[in-house]
Amino acid sequence: QVQLVESGGGVVQPGRSLRLSCAPSGFTVRGLGFHWVRQAPGKGLEWVAVIWYDGSERHYADSVKGRFTISRDDSKNTLYLLMTSLRVEDTAVYYCARDAGRWPGAYFDRWGRGATVTVSS
Amino acid sequence: QSVLTQPPSVSGAPGQRVTISCTGDSSNIGAGYDVYWYQHLPGTAPKLLIYLNTNRPSGVPDRFSGSKSGTSASLAITGLQAEDEADYYCQSYDTSLSAVVFGGGTKLTVL
Repeated sequence: QVQLVESGGGVVQPGRSLRLSCAPSGFTVRGLGFHWVRQAPGKGLEWVAVIWYDGSERHYADSVKGRFTISRDDSKNTLYLLMTSLRVEDTAVYYCARDAGRWPGAYFDRWGRGATVTVSS
Repeated sequence: QSVLTQPPSVSGAPGQRVTISCTGDSSNIGAGYDVYWYQHLPGTAPKLLIYLNTNRPSGVPDRFSGSKSGTSASLAITGLQAEDEADYYCQSYDTSLSAVVFGGGTKLTVL
């Protein structure tokens, strides 16, 4: 079955760091672009970051630029989102999503079920 | 405030037709960027419903259809079923933000 599985969520204090992972099953990450999208409690979906199919380009939402880093390790078939200097407003469910388009015409044909990140003192 | 504007909620009785609008501007939909639609049930993975404005992925019933005109797009659902009760999001790209953008989401209630 084709699916994405996120891991690494948890409760963290403001200012600390956390790394999320995303591992697909039923396909490999090689040659595909991926995104992270988040949903804060009671809010809608917010795009966070993209990494191109070959890792040559990465783009970020202004709200996380300079604090979050998206990366990939094709040898481990895994995507990552390193979140540093976390803020209370970063509290959300973070979804990994497969890109079926081509930047800037990105769209998402497979999503994970999300990893919950809570930033609280 | 989302870049793409959707009604917060819509409702309809089983069997009826509902539409969900998605309004943007000259930096996104009006600039020619395509629109995509997703269905999301809390606690589950969002699902792609419509891609490239009007196309349905395999497995999505033809009760779902999309359209785009000018700075807006719409999702229509005919023959409403209880299982359609979910949140629906439109998505595009905004050139002034250099970012993927979503609508604020619309909660569909089947009466």
